Amino acid sequence: EPEVTQTPSHQVTQMGQEVILRCVPISNHLYFYWYRQILGQKVEFLVSFYNNEISEKSEIFDDQFSVERPDGSNFTLKIRSTKLEDSAMYFCASSEIVRRGTGSTGYFGPGTRLTVT
Amino acid sequence: GNSVTQMEGPVTLSEEAFLTINCTYTATGYPSLFWYVQYPGEGLQLLLKATKADDKGSNKGFEATYRKETTSFHLEKGSVQVSDSAVYFCALSRNTGGFKTIFGAGTRLFVKA
Repeated sequence: EPEVTQTPSHQVTQMGQEVILRCVPISNHLYFYWYRQILGQKVEFLVSFYNNEISEKSEIFDDQFSVERPDGSNFTLKIRSTKLEDSAMYFCASSEIVRRGTGSTGYFGPGTRLTVT
Repeated sequence: GNSVTQMEGPVTLSEEAFLTINCTYTATGYPSLFWYVQYPGEGLQLLLKATKADDKGSNKGFEATYRKETTSFHLEKGSVQVSDSAVYFCALSRNTGGFKTIFGAGTRLFVKA
């Protein structure tokens, strides 16, 4: 079964450093997403990406964050200057196009645990 | 706006007990509803889903029925096992082209042998 992959599984960085989290979505999917889960808390939507641009973003997704699809397979989340509160599990997801009135399932990757010290 | 509310945990049960985790939602339109499970130290796994009213999603002995009249999607299992210990997230997505998912806060389940 196809799956979303993410690298690295765990990233430790110092406050103020830039980090790039990488994801390889399922190959025929066209929508890509990033979510965040602070330890012990709910999973929160960060951003969705379609047709090479951001289609929706949350309040969390401020100017410190950016996303990119640098080639045909990877989808990245960059945090420019990490803060302690950015420590969380970051999940990538992808989905195919959904027709109105039909269901769809987003496929989630295993997550990258980011620890900011 | 769209939101999901689920019962607070933790829920502690003995093996073979009946499980119910309540979930209600607020949404515009007709969302799809999901239950995800997260085992300790792991990512999110889709447990089951329902895409329209009165649909029943089921998997691994778990069931949930999409109730539009009560805006609910309660998760049930007739006989839990120790291996079911995990965090369960109720979630919804809007069928608007993409799949932005809104999650509930999660309910931690402990099953004792």
